[in-house]
This record gives sequence, C-alpha cells and structure tokens, in this order.
Amino acid sequence: NAGVIQTPRHKVTGKGQEATLWCEPISGHSAVFWYRQTIVQGLEFLTYFRNQAPIDDSGMPKERFSAQMPNQSHSTLKIQSTQPQDSAVYLCASSTGIYAEQFFGPGTRLTVL
Amino acid sequence: GQQVKQSSPSLTVQEGGILILNCDYENDMFDYFAWYKKYPDNSPTLLISVRSNVDKREDGRFTVFLNKSGKHFSLHITASQPEDTAVYLCAAGQGTGSKLSFGKGAKLTVSP
Repeated sequence: NAGVIQTPRHKVTGKGQEATLWCEPISGHSAVFWYRQTIVQGLEFLTYFRNQAPIDDSGMPKERFSAQMPNQSHSTLKIQSTQPQDSAVYLCASSTGIYAEQFFGPGTRLTVL
Repeated sequence: GQQVKQSSPSLTVQEGGILILNCDYENDMFDYFAWYKKYPDNSPTLLISVRSNVDKREDGRFTVFLNKSGKHFSLHITASQPEDTAVYLCAAGQGTGSKLSFGKGAKLTVSP
C-alpha cells in the first residue's frame, strides 16, 4: 500500500500564476480531505469529498480556490491567481468513512513569490 | 475562530516521565476526538482516538481522557521515550461531517 500520494512535493509559483495540486487517495478509501498548514494558523480544513461527491467546502476561500474529484483515484486542488498568502503546505488525507482514521499524504509545499 | 485549542505549545519531559497534553474545544456537537503525532518534515499520523460515548481509551503507554461537560480532552503518555519527541496535534470532529478541526500543536521533547 503506497499510502496517499501527493504531487508535486514542492511548487514555486509567481504571484498571479495558477497552481494545481494533485492527490491520489489510498485505494478503496471513500473520503478525501484537503487541509492547509501554516505556522500561524496551524492545520486548517479546506474541503472534502465522499464517494467523489463534494460534501463540505466550508474551509475553502471563496475566490480563487476550487477542488474536484473526477474519479475515485484522484482529486485536484486548484488555486488561481496565486498570492503570497497562499504559501503553505497543502495536505491531502483519505479515509474509509465516518469516524475512520484519516491517513495523510506527504503534502505539497507551495511557495508563491 | 479556533474551534480546538491546545495549551502549552512546547513541553519537555525526562525519559521515563509522565506527560499530559491538553486540548479544549468549543463545538459541543463534536463526537470524535483524536491525537495525531507529527515528526519534522513528515505528515501527521493517528496516535489514538475516542468517540464521545466513552470517557477514556487506553492503548499501551497512551491514554486519552474525555471530559464532555468541560469540553476538554487530554493525552497521557507514560514511560516517555526519546522517540516520543514530536509535535502532537489534537483534533475533533463530528462523525457525520468527518472533517477534523485541529489544534495548533504541542512540541514535546523527551530528554534522555
């Protein structure tokens, strides 16, 4: 079992550019979560999918951020017109369902210059 | 606002000692409580969790206590070992929602 896979591990973008982050959940896991980690805010929930359907995006900034899960094997988080304050480690996690352990991927460190 | 708050962002304990990490939460709908462990440059991994239908869960050297009326839960680590040195994140969630709210973490150092 390879665990949750996230690519790229590091991404550097210029201000105003687009960034797309990829997540491949553990095979058989029905729930996929996106979190963002910064020193100031800690680990913050962004959005999650269950059986590919968007369930809760209450943590997503209303502008510029979007997430999709086109099939059960991957999810993407897209940030348009990146800003320096978007710099963070973006973590994807998957689980088998309600009350189940969330397994985290290694994260993508996004740096916006 | 921060729905889950951890006190004592940094702690040091001697090897073999007992350590208590504390966490307070605001949302009384939370019914799932967990402690995650994080090594530098690694992702968080689940250490122990408990649902709100019990007040305590023990797993080896690790015990989580839940005080629902006080909206408080804690992690007790006995016989601390150097490999326990890590950042510990408390988390809480609503089962039906599944998303977790995390504390900011407490850095634990176990000194030989």
